[in-house]
Amino acid sequence: SYELTQPPSVSVSPGQTARITCSGDALPKQYAYWYQQKPGQAPVLVIYKDSERPSGIPERFSGSSSGTTVTLTISGVQAEDEADYYCQSADSSGTSWVFGGGTKLTVL
Amino acid sequence: QVQLVQSGAEVKKPGASVKVSCKASGYTFTSYDINWVRQATGQGLEWMGWMNPNSGNTGYAQKFQGRVTMTRNTSISTAYMELSSLRSEDTAVYYCARFDYWGQGTLVTVSS
Repeated sequence: SYELTQPPSVSVSPGQTARITCSGDALPKQYAYWYQQKPGQAPVLVIYKDSERPSGIPERFSGSSSGTTVTLTISGVQAEDEADYYCQSADSSGTSWVFGGGTKLTVL
Repeated sequence: QVQLVQSGAEVKKPGASVKVSCKASGYTFTSYDINWVRQATGQGLEWMGWMNPNSGNTGYAQKFQGRVTMTRNTSISTAYMELSSLRSEDTAVYYCARFDYWGQGTLVTVSS
């Protein structure tokens, strides 16, 4: 079955830039989506269609795509950004959604 | 404002079934697919399937085919997810989601 691969953890100091990658063979053909999840809460969509930002999401969140890898970038990380981040995309047939394993962002 | 409000926590015995509801408000229910996603404690998100509330068409993840059924009642803007033949590994929080909006989650505990 199709898989999306994320690093288990990323650590940055406040004010620095965090980059979280997600790799998958179908990513050149399928859009990626990114979610932020804090403990005890439902996920929140922070990036859709590779690089679009929903209303209400701070401008410091951005997304990019290159080949089989998509990247979530958080510029000027704040303590409140500490959370788990998940990428999501469809398989090559477009019939099934898949989530990456998640990346725990720690703000030092 | 868009809201997805789910039913309350459930405790079930192995082999039983559970049916979780998801009531939509603040938008036209039949205009957006509803997905179901689950998350075991300390684990990642797992997509279970989708339903088109307008047509009733569904698509299930291969892992759950034969055990999950997604339905809806358009008159009350509510989607349902029923999972059968429950086992301990099905203990998780179950979410309904448009993906841009998510329900609050329903904890399903499977225990003898």
